[in-house]
Amino acid sequence: EAGVTQSPTHLIKTRGQQVTLRCSPISGHTSVYWYQQALGLGLQFLLWYDEGEERNRGNFPPRFSGRQFPNYSSELNVNALELEDSALYLCASSRGRGTLHFGNGTRLTVT
Amino acid sequence: DAKTTQPPSMDCAEGRAANLPCNHSTISGNEYVYWYRQIHSQGPQYIIHGLKNNETNEMASLIITEDRKSSTLILPHATLRDTAVYYCIVRGINTGTASKLTFGTGTRLQVTL
Repeated sequence: EAGVTQSPTHLIKTRGQQVTLRCSPISGHTSVYWYQQALGLGLQFLLWYDEGEERNRGNFPPRFSGRQFPNYSSELNVNALELEDSALYLCASSRGRGTLHFGNGTRLTVT
Repeated sequence: DAKTTQPPSMDCAEGRAANLPCNHSTISGNEYVYWYRQIHSQGPQYIIHGLKNNETNEMASLIITEDRKSSTLILPHATLRDTAVYYCIVRGINTGTASKLTFGTGTRLQVTL
């Protein structure tokens, strides 16, 4: 069974630009979660999507947004990038309220 | 979600059992205890979870005290590849907004020769 896949694995952007990160959940999983992990810090919850709807949102500004597609894959969009957005962005998926399984993330560097 | 308390770091000799403690004194009846680990620069890896009974799988054992206020993750024969940050998380799964995992700072386990 393929795990959660994220693309790209690494990305370098300039301050003020916009970025889109992608996540494909495990087959059969309908929920997708996004987390941010800045260097040396813990995982911070960003967004939770289930069945195409945003179910919960962490304490992040509106320039962080996303969506979930009918095939349950998901995108995370970050507008007006700031230096402090540099982090590892992790996606996880679950079957309903089941166990979350994580991908290996996208490392975003903002210069 | 209930808060958890873990020691910031632990050492373990290779081949020995690693016992990682976690306190979750405010856990409620519908909350599970989950354990994940994160090896440097990778995504967190699910290890095991339980409600009130002890659990065992191919990776580890989870011992939950009778009052459910604390638990211990046991890696029976630690290897160098078990060096990672281990997170103990309490998760309620019966309410919508509680479906997410709230990560703390975890325990950094260093396995040595």
